[in-house]
Amino acid sequence: AQKVTQAQTEISVVEKEDVTLDCVYETRDTTYYLFWYKQPPSGELVFLIRRNSFDEQNEISGRYSWNFQKSTSSFNFTITASQVVDSAVYFCALSEAQISNDYKLSFGAGTTVTVRA
Amino acid sequence: EPEVTQTPSHQVTQMGQEVILRCVPISNHLYFYWYRQILGQKVEFLVSFYNNEISEKSEIFDDQFSVERPDGSNFTLKIRSTKLEDSAMYFCASRGQGMAGELFFGEGSRLTVL
Repeated sequence: AQKVTQAQTEISVVEKEDVTLDCVYETRDTTYYLFWYKQPPSGELVFLIRRNSFDEQNEISGRYSWNFQKSTSSFNFTITASQVVDSAVYFCALSEAQISNDYKLSFGAGTTVTVRA
Repeated sequence: EPEVTQTPSHQVTQMGQEVILRCVPISNHLYFYWYRQILGQKVEFLVSFYNNEISEKSEIFDDQFSVERPDGSNFTLKIRSTKLEDSAMYFCASRGQGMAGELFFGEGSRLTVL
């Protein structure tokens, strides 16, 4: 079973439009962490945001904002006023504690965002 | 800002050859990981390493794979006899004590097996 589901495979927008990426996760843990990563065409993974399961406060950081709702197990991510440089694959990830007392990230399949000028 | 560094950035090898991918984690981090991403697919967990031993590994991490921390700074992934399906981007990551769940990723090593 998928732990992290990103239902949107691709999103294409025109510059300055807002983009919202959906993420639904599944876990039995009460303590966990959620992340969004960006992977530009160059291939590296760029950390964007992190949220722990005890903090449902939604925030805005520059052009990024997120909506964390435990009741629906969703962690959606919005890019406001998109720019061409935002074109990338965006991954949602869930970090859960393991029996080994370590943490393991489970990634979603990714959403490819294309921002056209 | 401290970062995880990986070498090589890209390696091309012939099927059946041994490959070693190298990673230098952030210096005070204690937990180390390898993840793999086949082109166009999602990032998959391979192995985690703590206190000089594997703490967890996925079913992908079969006998062809091994990890070690030979000198206290480098963290290596060895693929003993590469197969075509090993072609992927390999990401190293590290985590500090008390930094629950937050992994710092390197820029990746792209492996192409011909």
